[in-house]
Amino acid sequence: QVQLVQSGAEVKKPGASVKVSCKASGYTFTGYFIHWVRQAPGQGLEWIGWINPNSGGTNSAQRFQGRVTMTRDTSINTAYMELSSLTSDDTAVYYCARAQAAQQQEDYWGQGTRVTVSS
Amino acid sequence: DIQMTQSPSSLSASVGDSVTITCRASHNIITYLHWYQKKPGKAPELLIYGASSLERGVPSRFGGSGSGTDFTLTISSLQPEDFATYYCQQSYNVPFTFGPGTKVDFK
Repeated sequence: QVQLVQSGAEVKKPGASVKVSCKASGYTFTGYFIHWVRQAPGQGLEWIGWINPNSGGTNSAQRFQGRVTMTRDTSINTAYMELSSLTSDDTAVYYCARAQAAQQQEDYWGQGTRVTVSS
Repeated sequence: DIQMTQSPSSLSASVGDSVTITCRASHNIITYLHWYQKKPGKAPELLIYGASSLERGVPSRFGGSGSGTDFTLTISSLQPEDFATYYCQQSYNVPFTFGPGTKVDFK
């Protein structure tokens, strides 16, 4: 069965970086994009970006460009999302999700990784 | 960026009620519109993709319609497990923006 398992909760200081991992199993990792989405406390869902695990190509929302780096390691079926220059506004639960090719709907999700930014 | 709006922002309903949530896009997104259910402490779950296609395993009481800029999600007979927040999302253009959500709670 398809599973996405994310790394554990993180606490970071303002200005630091965080790297969240997302290990995929149960399907061909290189056959589907991985999207990253976050939800801040009491807020809605916010789309961050995607990575094509086959090519390594990425695309992200402009507000994160320059701060987000999405990578993958196909040898271990794992995608990564690194966010730098953290502020308290980046405190959120971060999700990875598998996306279907045709319409990029997010059909399987990781369990979420809580990132807290606090001095 | 394509802006997504939803109405209402919240609604109160009873088990067995039929509810309709509306989503509007700021530009024509054809049918690149998806609906998700989100419960506290859990990951979102895909309900409807391509505006009207039911995701595998999702109960048939969920239905979606629309194209262009106006879309609806209908839950035909609300069940206790349906009390949650519902989000629409467009995947026509990056960034794949979400609507602000509609919270469905007990009347």
